[in-house]
Amino acid sequence: DIQMTQSPSTRSASVGDRVTITCRASQSISTWLAWYQQQPGKAPKLLIYKSSTLESGVPSRFSGSGSGTEFTLTINSLQPADFATYYCQQYSTYPYTFGQGTKLEI
Amino acid sequence: QLQLQQSGPGLVKPSETLSLTCTVSGGSVSSSTYRWAWIRQTPGEGLEWIGSFSDGGSSNLNPSLKSRVAMSVDTSKNQFSLKLISVTAADTAVYYCARQPTAAGIDYFGMDVWGQGTTVTVSS
Repeated sequence: DIQMTQSPSTRSASVGDRVTITCRASQSISTWLAWYQQQPGKAPKLLIYKSSTLESGVPSRFSGSGSGTEFTLTINSLQPADFATYYCQQYSTYPYTFGQGTKLEI
Repeated sequence: QLQLQQSGPGLVKPSETLSLTCTVSGGSVSSSTYRWAWIRQTPGEGLEWIGSFSDGGSSNLNPSLKSRVAMSVDTSKNQFSLKLISVTAADTAVYYCARQPTAAGIDYFGMDVWGQGTTVTVSS
């Protein structure tokens, strides 16, 4: 299985900050990477697919980049609704796998 | 707007079968442009992709669960289902169904619509 490793596990930030989360794959996944946001008690929500394509309706302060084994999710000008847990997921090779999550806290 | 509504018991006894259903509204489970997936989440293991399939197509299952998992579709009810046999406490988790859009048969877009989640506890 392809291992997905996110860093950091927890990130403290303030409203208005710019935050970057990193996701590394144990082998190349090209750009077959998605990012999800999960609020407590809710299902994950798709933010970005194909490494850098913003899902419809997702604010433009979210952006993604990377290819191969290293990827980043950047959130510009953090808003209160952005404090949540973020997951990356590779869908290059079965079984699809997720990172362990990054909790973004105030 | 397509929605997924999950149903099924929240408590299953050890060694028995976990059965969950996901009802599709605002779209068709028979659409050739989607695969339908199951994912589970535990505090210890995080998010785990269980598998996915498309109506009339093949299924792809996580090898870690493959021997115990079955996925099926009921087009007359616009539903798809998950069965996990011989459950243990390790199968206690929140289970989600989700939609995987495809392009030319390729999973291109990640999982864009999710069910609300079902908390399943395995206990006697």
